[in-house]
Amino acid sequence: DTGVSQDPRHKITKRGQNVTFRCDPISEHNRLYWYRQTLGQGPEFLTYFQNEAQLEKSRLLSDRFSAERPKGSFSTLEIQRTEQGDSAMYLCASSATRQGSNEKLFFGSGTQLSVL
Amino acid sequence: GEDVEQSLFLSVREGDSSVINCTYTDSSSTYLYWYKQEPGAGLQLLTYIFSNMDMKQDQRLTVLLNKKDKHLSLRIADTQTGDSAIYFCAAKNSGYSTLTFGKGTMLLVSP
Repeated sequence: DTGVSQDPRHKITKRGQNVTFRCDPISEHNRLYWYRQTLGQGPEFLTYFQNEAQLEKSRLLSDRFSAERPKGSFSTLEIQRTEQGDSAMYLCASSATRQGSNEKLFFGSGTQLSVL
Repeated sequence: GEDVEQSLFLSVREGDSSVINCTYTDSSSTYLYWYKQEPGAGLQLLTYIFSNMDMKQDQRLTVLLNKKDKHLSLRIADTQTGDSAIYFCAAKNSGYSTLTFGKGTMLLVSP
């Protein structure tokens, strides 16, 4: 078990370009989360999946943001028409949760996005 | 919604105890967590406490919960330079699947 893996670690792009990030959760973790962290702030929840179902997406920042988890394993987060305000660290976390139990989220190292 | 507040900075000397404080607003929060983040890295889960507990000890870490005041603290005994990092408090309501994080407390440990 290698933990939560995110790719790439760093992404530099020009304003207006599309970017896609990938997250590989800990194997057999059924939940996968995306968070965004800006400088000096705590992580801010964006969306999450239980298996392949996206159960909450109202907190995605705009319709330029979308996420998928097609087979219930890895996930991708896409930002279309990037803006400078999208510059942030994008964190992925996964958990193995059972109804009513404590849920421990394990985070990846994040993808640092810089929009020029 | 939930709001989690933390003091922003703490400086201690190596070998001293560190106490990081956190307050939250949602009295129905059932689990409270402490995460550690080192520069350029993701978050590492340190410990957590269930809302029906008032204390939890795990090696050098002690978590105290005052549910009446909605106040949580993390005490690190014998603080080491390797403990220098940002510490985040997070709260979870059992009815929701998301964690709400504070802005983090930067702990600086000097030799």
